[in-house]
Amino acid sequence: DIQMTQSPSSLSASVGDRVTITCRASQNIDSFLNWFQHKPGKAPKLLIHAASNLQSGVPSRFSGSASGTDFTLTISSLQPEDFATYYCQQSYSTSWTFGQGTKVEIK
Amino acid sequence: EVQLVESGGGLVQPGGSLRLSCAASGFTFSGYWMSWVRQAPGKGLEWVANIKQDGSEKYYVDSVRGRFTVSRDNAKNSLYLQMNSLRDEDTAVYYCAREVRISGWYYDNWGQGTLVTVSS
Repeated sequence: DIQMTQSPSSLSASVGDRVTITCRASQNIDSFLNWFQHKPGKAPKLLIHAASNLQSGVPSRFSGSASGTDFTLTISSLQPEDFATYYCQQSYSTSWTFGQGTKVEIK
Repeated sequence: EVQLVESGGGLVQPGGSLRLSCAASGFTFSGYWMSWVRQAPGKGLEWVANIKQDGSEKYYVDSVRGRFTVSRDNAKNSLYLQMNSLRDEDTAVYYCAREVRISGWYYDNWGQGTLVTVSS
């Protein structure tokens, strides 16, 4: 199975901060990389698909990029509603696997 | 509006069985792959199983293969997960999710989840 290593596992940030979360795939996954936001008791929400495509309705402060097997989710200016857990996910193989998650907390 | 509503969760003893359902509406259910994804308490998201539009292909995570069966009824716009020989480690919130397989493959809609608790 393809392993997705996400870092950091948690971070503390303030409103207005630029936040970067990284995800490394254990092998080539082309651009089959998605990012989700998950809040307790809610359904996960798709933010970015195919590494860098912003899902319709998602604020433009979210962006994704890729370099080889390394992928990055950036929040350009953290807003109060962005405090949540973020997951990367690969959809290259038959078994779609998630990263361990990054919990973004208020500083 | 796309809606996915899971049901069937509850408390079950180890070794027991449970059948989850996911009722879909607001889209042509028969046109999409569908998945089950779970989240154990304090843990991250884990893909469990998925099924092709016509049910001809099904895939499972290693930990549930042989115990869980995914199925669908396109006439009823419903997805199912039959869970047998349940273990403590199957305790989780189970979500159904719609797969999009155009310009990248991803889940674009999820249900709210149903809680399965395996405990004696």
